[in-house]
Amino acid sequence: DAEITQSPRHKITETGRQVTLACHQTWNHNNMFWYRQDLGHGLRLIHYSYGVQDTNKGEVSDGYSVSRSNTEDLPLTLESAASSQTSVYFCASSESWEGGNEQFFGPGTRLTVL
Amino acid sequence: GQNIDQPTEMTATEGAIVQINCTYQTSGFNGLFWYQQHAGEAPTFLSYNVLDGLEEKGRFSSFLSRSKGYSYLLLKELQMKDSASYLCAVMDSNYQLIWGAGTKLIIKP
Repeated sequence: DAEITQSPRHKITETGRQVTLACHQTWNHNNMFWYRQDLGHGLRLIHYSYGVQDTNKGEVSDGYSVSRSNTEDLPLTLESAASSQTSVYFCASSESWEGGNEQFFGPGTRLTVL
Repeated sequence: GQNIDQPTEMTATEGAIVQINCTYQTSGFNGLFWYQQHAGEAPTFLSYNVLDGLEEKGRFSSFLSRSKGYSYLLLKELQMKDSASYLCAVMDSNYQLIWGAGTKLIIKP
């Protein structure tokens, strides 16, 4: 069965360190997304990609970067982790950006920045 | 700005019916999604509405009124496993999803 996985599932790091969260999907979807979810807020879009070599900034992209070298993976890098980046991070993918194509979500990564 | 409003929390009784409302103000509209999210898990897709009216899917139904910027999710014959957060999301003119903060639904026996 096709799926979307994230690793690690939990991560504790220190302020100032570089952190990379992995996202891998076997749906063969062109579109991939990174969100963060914080209490009291809806999911907020960090970065997204519509295909290989395509990346775009979302609503809350400062301090984050992504790269898309193949269809399956979209790693998210925190260049210099800050306490404000403590959150749950979800990766998602969808077949198309049009109409009613649902997004499929990974299980999430809980990141704590001390 | 863009805004999605949902009640923060609702409580209902097992076997009953509950309606979760969502109002939105967005730049453009390309459909509205409802997702379910159990605590500590990923959101999962429930429904999609792009035209006005009611979409029924088993115990769950979703309604949309584009002129009023309003949707609701109706859950019938509530079960304990329906205890979860329900997320409303609108696809805007750039085909980006704008998410509400979610409604936590508590089911009591």
